[in-house]
Amino acid sequence: GQNIDQPTEMTATEGAIVQINCTYQTSGFNGLFWYQQHAGEAPTFLSYNVLDGLEEKGRFSSFLSRSKGYSYLLLKELQMKDSASYLCAYDSGGGADGLTFGKGTHLIIQP
Amino acid sequence: SAVISQKPSRDICQRGTSLTIQCQVDSQVTMMFWYRQQPGQSLTLIATANQGSEATYESGFVIDKFPISRPNLTFSTLTVSNMSPEDSSIYLCSVEGESSYEQYFGPGTRLTVT
Repeated sequence: GQNIDQPTEMTATEGAIVQINCTYQTSGFNGLFWYQQHAGEAPTFLSYNVLDGLEEKGRFSSFLSRSKGYSYLLLKELQMKDSASYLCAYDSGGGADGLTFGKGTHLIIQP
Repeated sequence: SAVISQKPSRDICQRGTSLTIQCQVDSQVTMMFWYRQQPGQSLTLIATANQGSEATYESGFVIDKFPISRPNLTFSTLTVSNMSPEDSSIYLCSVEGESSYEQYFGPGTRLTVT
């Protein structure tokens, strides 16, 4: 079966740091994606982790532990424009598959 | 990254009718994907469309309901057939980037069925 979970909603303060967790269970796994989606807009690609460990890209970092079926997205120096939904998704392999998405985490940034 | 456009951007349709959604990419791509995002939900993969072959549908989606065309490497269509209010959703096409791990999404088609 396939299962991917992330918190429904999180609130954080402008300038702070927030970590959005994602856990998954799947028989086939190639890598883990994070997307950002503002209301009414298409998802935009943030990161893709294949190997265990932390990948840093500016204010955003993504971590993967394949053995634990766990990933997180870390957002630093939060800005009001970071208010959005953050979707984790996995690629079950083969290079020719679509993605399986979690339900998304709605992140609210407060002044 | 690929630039993807979809038509129409939104539509309101009556139950029992069909709507064809177009997806155009500014570069040739091998893999194109169609997703559905129902209100308040995340994205669900409908099917994978390769040029020159039949689309591959995910569990719960069938060709009679969601026929797909892929006539060339830059274009695809998804038809939502015999619509019901439960088909009200955003439909998005997606393509792989130059690096196979990147997937980019079109702006989506917001469909409301009354």
